[in-house]
Amino acid sequence: AQTVTQSQPEMSVQEAETVTLSCTYDTSESDYYLFWYKQPPSRQMILVIRQEAYKQQNATENRFSVNFQKAAKSFSLKISDSQLGDAAMYFCAYRSIQGAQKLVFGQGTRLTINP
Amino acid sequence: DAGITQSPRHKVTETGTPVTLRCHQTENHRYMYWYRQDPGHGLRLIHYSYGVKDTDKGEVSDGYSVSRSKTEDFLLTLESATSSQTSVYFCAISESQALSSYEQYFGPGTRLTVT
Repeated sequence: AQTVTQSQPEMSVQEAETVTLSCTYDTSESDYYLFWYKQPPSRQMILVIRQEAYKQQNATENRFSVNFQKAAKSFSLKISDSQLGDAAMYFCAYRSIQGAQKLVFGQGTRLTINP
Repeated sequence: DAGITQSPRHKVTETGTPVTLRCHQTENHRYMYWYRQDPGHGLRLIHYSYGVKDTDKGEVSDGYSVSRSKTEDFLLTLESATSSQTSVYFCAISESQALSSYEQYFGPGTRLTVT
């Protein structure tokens, strides 16, 4: 079974600075998808960014980018120019390419933005 | 936003009583999921459905049952609620094409408290 680990329960960053959230995973599969979800205080789960394992190029979405290291099974999220609205819980998630598309989540990292 | 609603949004119940949570979608997606969210654990899959009357167990299925008699509705039942089932419950939906990075869309969540 796949597992996802987020080793940073909490992180904080000054507004406008850059922060990196860590995620590692364990799998025996060669093809899969990885996601970062954001959960603000409203509790809504919002997809931030996705990465296909067969793609070597790291995904980027505006101020959000990932560092995908397949051999190391590492998938970190970098947030540039942090904004107050980025404050939230962030979850890393894994999904197999086959089957019922079940997501396996990490424990989450609570990100605080200091003004 | 994907059309997913959950009812009720909040519920307080007593130990030993039955509880049913409802998830309703208007997207006609094939897959539907129930997750629970607890501090330190992220989201964990309880049960999922891959079609009408087709369901399967997830990681934490003990004490829960599900039913899907229509494409749009997925019910989660706690036959006899226990305090360990106090949690926030999320429903999610997904398209049917496994070989794609289609995201899961999440409902707003239901906060259940068992006293």
